Amino acid sequence: SQTIHQWPATLVQPVGSPLSLECTVEGTSNPNLYWYRQAAGRGLQLLFYSVGIGQISSEVPQNLSASRPQDRQFILSSKKLLLSDSGFYLCAWSVLSGSNQPQHFGDGTRLSIL
Amino acid sequence: AQSVAQPEDQVNVAEGNPLTVKCTYSVSGNPYLFWYVQYPNRGLQFLLKYITGDNLVKGSYGFEAEFNKSQTSFHLKKPSALVSDSALYFCAVRALNTGGFKTIFGAGTRLFVKA
Repeated sequence: SQTIHQWPATLVQPVGSPLSLECTVEGTSNPNLYWYRQAAGRGLQLLFYSVGIGQISSEVPQNLSASRPQDRQFILSSKKLLLSDSGFYLCAWSVLSGSNQPQHFGDGTRLSIL
Repeated sequence: AQSVAQPEDQVNVAEGNPLTVKCTYSVSGNPYLFWYVQYPNRGLQFLLKYITGDNLVKGSYGFEAEFNKSQTSFHLKKPSALVSDSALYFCAVRALNTGGFKTIFGAGTRLFVKA
């Protein structure tokens, strides 16, 4: 069966520090991968999605970036965090070719910026 | 433009009573519709989806949803609510003409089930 892992579960970082959040998927090949941010336990904001290694699409211009160095690895990064980067970050995957298939989410990273 | 509306921020229901969480959508083309549930400090979990066929779809944990094309709605229902159903519920839509890589989520509806 397929599983998705995100780490760390929680993170407290000072303003201006770098960030690296990692997400890996097991049990499937060539997935679509997504990074979302959820503010205040409400709606989801799509940040990045990827359809293959090295292919990243950005939905929202900001100081975050994403990379996909391997087929089932998706990394969210920042060189300098802002206070506004606080939130709950969720990684998700879906089957590449099936637009009628659901997304499957990891358990998220809660990021607090001090 | 595609959109999904969940008109209620919060729904309160007594345990054992039926529950409905509302969702309406706006897309061009035929939609694929989804419901997800989120428990505190967890990711979203897929509950059910409508692709085609029977307008009433059944999903996990006794939930079902009714697709109504004329009203562009996809309301989530359960005949008898449990306290453990208390969570945040998201409706989502994908439409064929937008490609296969993006999903539009509603803002979420918080469900409280009282014992």
